[in-house]
Amino acid sequence: GAVVSQHPSRVICKSGTSVKIECRSLDFQATTMFWYRQFPKQSLMLMATSNEGSKATYEQGVEKDKFLINHASLTLSTLTVTSAHPEDSSFYICSARDWGRDTEAFFGQGTRLTVV
Amino acid sequence: AQSVTQLDSHVSVSEGTPVLLRCNYSSSYSPSLFWYVQHPNKGLQLLLKYTSAATLVKGINGFEAEFKKSETSFHLTKPSAHMSDAAEYFCVVSVGNQGGKLIFGQGTELSVKP
Repeated sequence: GAVVSQHPSRVICKSGTSVKIECRSLDFQATTMFWYRQFPKQSLMLMATSNEGSKATYEQGVEKDKFLINHASLTLSTLTVTSAHPEDSSFYICSARDWGRDTEAFFGQGTRLTVV
Repeated sequence: AQSVTQLDSHVSVSEGTPVLLRCNYSSSYSPSLFWYVQHPNKGLQLLLKYTSAATLVKGINGFEAEFKKSETSFHLTKPSAHMSDAAEYFCVVSVGNQGGKLIFGQGTELSVKP
């Protein structure tokens, strides 16, 4: 199957700083990528849909100024958590679909963000 | 609107016994349905998928699921549990007209006892 690489896998940052998470499709082009957030022992909640070359579409309740998404190329989307606070600590996962090959979504390995 | 309900938050079985993880869906369209597995602090791995072909879908590691339209169900089964099956399992529906957007169920934690 297709490969989606997410980096970093773990990051610890201080309150008030910003953190950037990258999501790359390694062997296919992804016009659309998705960003999810997962709290401990809970399901994945879709945060936003990242569209190549245009603005991201955010789900209700997700602060677009706090979670900045950039999808500047067909293989890279980034999520920046701005002015991070401890309540932003979570597991963030991206996904992408290779529409040319398959109907399934491929997920990155996830990023464990801890804000101290 | 699409939605997914996993009926059990936690299932515990003994090694070598059958596994049943239940999932019901709601969809305005002909749905695409998936089961994903997640081991602790890891990403998600696709177990199997249903995309309007055969209603009995076979996946990896001996798992299978049956799509039952009349019951709006897509339960995951395995004849014999292995210790390595202990993980979190998600039933997922694809939102057909929104470019691959996925809706996740609440998850079922599977424990396997020796």
